[in-house]
Amino acid sequence: EPEVTQTPSHQVTQMGQEVILRCVPISNHLYFYWYRQILGQKVEFLVSFYNNEISEKSEIFDDQFSVERPDGSNFTLKIRSTKLEDSAMYFCASSTDHNSPLHFGNGTRLTVT
Amino acid sequence: AQSVTQLDSQVPVFEEAPVELRCNYSSSVSVYLFWYVQYPNQGLQLLLKYLSGSTLVKGINGFEAEFNKSQTSFHLRKPSVHISDTAEYFCAVSENSGYALNFGKGTSLLVTP
Repeated sequence: EPEVTQTPSHQVTQMGQEVILRCVPISNHLYFYWYRQILGQKVEFLVSFYNNEISEKSEIFDDQFSVERPDGSNFTLKIRSTKLEDSAMYFCASSTDHNSPLHFGNGTRLTVT
Repeated sequence: AQSVTQLDSQVPVFEEAPVELRCNYSSSVSVYLFWYVQYPNQGLQLLLKYLSGSTLVKGINGFEAEFNKSQTSFHLRKPSVHISDTAEYFCAVSENSGYALNFGKGTSLLVTP
């Protein structure tokens, strides 16, 4: 069965650095999402992306964050000037359309030191 | 605004016993409801979903859930659990059936022999 693939599985970065989290959604999916889960807390919606633009974003998704689909297969989340509180598990997801359930990747654990 | 409450953070249960994981939600509009499961070191996997129609929804791995509009609940049940059901279970709600899922904090199900 097709899967959403996320790399790396674990990323360690120093405070203030920029990180790019990468995702390869399922090939025929058109809607892409990022969620995050801070340790011990619930999974939180960050952003959804369709037709090369952001369709919805949460309050968490401020100017520090950006998303991009640089080619036909990758979907990236960039976090600029990382802070300690950005440490979390970041999940990418995709769906065929906005009426279909999301398929999630295994996540990237980001640790900011 | 929507919110999701999972009343139990941990549920220990013996193998072959029945289990119910509770989920309550609040919303001012019609919602779509989901249960996701997260096995250790894996991403979120859809267990079942309620979009419309029959209030009793059957999902994978023998799980089912019942949508109760009057009680604003969507409890997850399984009549006989296996060791392999040990995982984190997340209830989620959306005002449409796709993106911007609002997750509960999760319930950790621990099945022991």
